[in-house]
Amino acid sequence: GQNIDQPTEMTATEGAIVQINCTYQTSGFNGLFWYQQHAGEAPTFLSYNVLDGLEEKGRFSSFLSRSKGYSYLLLKELQMKDSASYLCAVRRSNSGYALNFGKGTSLLVTP
Amino acid sequence: EAQVTQNPRYLITVTGKKLTVTCSQNMNHEYMSWYRQDPGLGLRQIYYSMNVEVTDKGDVPEGYKVSRKEKRNFPLILESPSPNQTSLYFCASRTGTGGSGNTIYFGEGSWLTVV
Repeated sequence: GQNIDQPTEMTATEGAIVQINCTYQTSGFNGLFWYQQHAGEAPTFLSYNVLDGLEEKGRFSSFLSRSKGYSYLLLKELQMKDSASYLCAVRRSNSGYALNFGKGTSLLVTP
Repeated sequence: EAQVTQNPRYLITVTGKKLTVTCSQNMNHEYMSWYRQDPGLGLRQIYYSMNVEVTDKGDVPEGYKVSRKEKRNFPLILESPSPNQTSLYFCASRTGTGGSGNTIYFGEGSWLTVV
């Protein structure tokens, strides 16, 4: 089976840095994805990690430790438009390389 | 433009009345899947398809059917909808299977209410 945990809600201030953690337990691990989802809209791809370490992409970075079953998404220089839900998803090599999603972290950016 | 198109986007229907939500992608992707999203439960996979005529159950397949007769289309069928199938549904597609960072493309979502 699989279990993906992330905080339900977080609040941060415009211009600040926020780290959203994700822990997982899964069989057939084949990569970890982060998606952003605004209310009522489709998720959009942010990042992908399959090896340990940090992947940086502009204001967003994602880290993975496979031995610890742990990832985080780091958002820098927060903007009001970053208020959204952030979804951690683990891909499994079994079950057709399906993505299993966590329940999402709702981030509120305040002025 | 790369697209996954779902229809209808919004639907209110009655218990037991068969309905189909269509999904079409224009990227020649092999893999397509359906998810439902419910408050507090996140996105859960209903069915997926690795290629034409190849489909398999996801985590919550009960009450749903799918078919994959053409590569571009992957309709979701609710033979006898019930109120617990009220949800936001997403169709998704990607190229290949796994082993790389193949991005999943999501449709815009279909809001379904069963009364």
